[in-house]
Amino acid sequence: DTAVSQTPKYLVTQMGNDKSIKCEQNLGHDTMYWYKQDSKKFLKIMFSYNNKELIINETVPNRFSPKSPDKAHLNLHINSLELGDSAVYFCASSQDSRGHQPQHFGDGTRLSIL
Amino acid sequence: DQQVKQNSPSLSVQEGRISILNCDYTNSMFDYFLWYKKYPAEGPTFLISISSIKDKNEDGRFTVFLNKSAKHLSLHIVPSQPGDSAVYFCAASAPIGAGSYQLTFGKGTKLSVIP
Repeated sequence: DTAVSQTPKYLVTQMGNDKSIKCEQNLGHDTMYWYKQDSKKFLKIMFSYNNKELIINETVPNRFSPKSPDKAHLNLHINSLELGDSAVYFCASSQDSRGHQPQHFGDGTRLSIL
Repeated sequence: DQQVKQNSPSLSVQEGRISILNCDYTNSMFDYFLWYKKYPAEGPTFLISISSIKDKNEDGRFTVFLNKSAKHLSLHIVPSQPGDSAVYFCAASAPIGAGSYQLTFGKGTKLSVIP
């Protein structure tokens, strides 16, 4: 009964490949997020969707494209992977986008680029 | 440009004593603050929060204090338990328009509670 689940947990791939990370939440939340935690341990927002509509799109390379087929899912597709993309990617959800609702996080996807 | 700063990367405390984790912020638009706890290989989990109109919020062993004039908040854990050993993230929420908000996280403080 995991609330926010993301797959895969680990992803090791070659530079230049295209990969996707999937995220699903069963909390009935309206808002979902993607965060990147880099080697310096900062958790930085990448994207946020509210009811399948993009509301936050931080300065992220165009190689990163989020897709929300429905409000329970927010997938992240990454084209032409680069060494600097190595990080832990966290998916999260919250009841709404008003910021005073706690965000619930998945356990992260550890992406390693060879 | 770190808008949320946790200047202590780590903290060690004896079991049963008080743990105090600190957080400073620079953005006056932040109006809600949250603390998250993170164990290795897991995602952050929400711990406690405080609105900018309050100066204290308590939940069991956890208390968050907010000093708006100093742009400083702290998390007190008393008594500390070995299971509290984790990384603690301070986060602050600010409006980004159209009724939406964005969270900004600090770098985290690793708390070790020694039995």
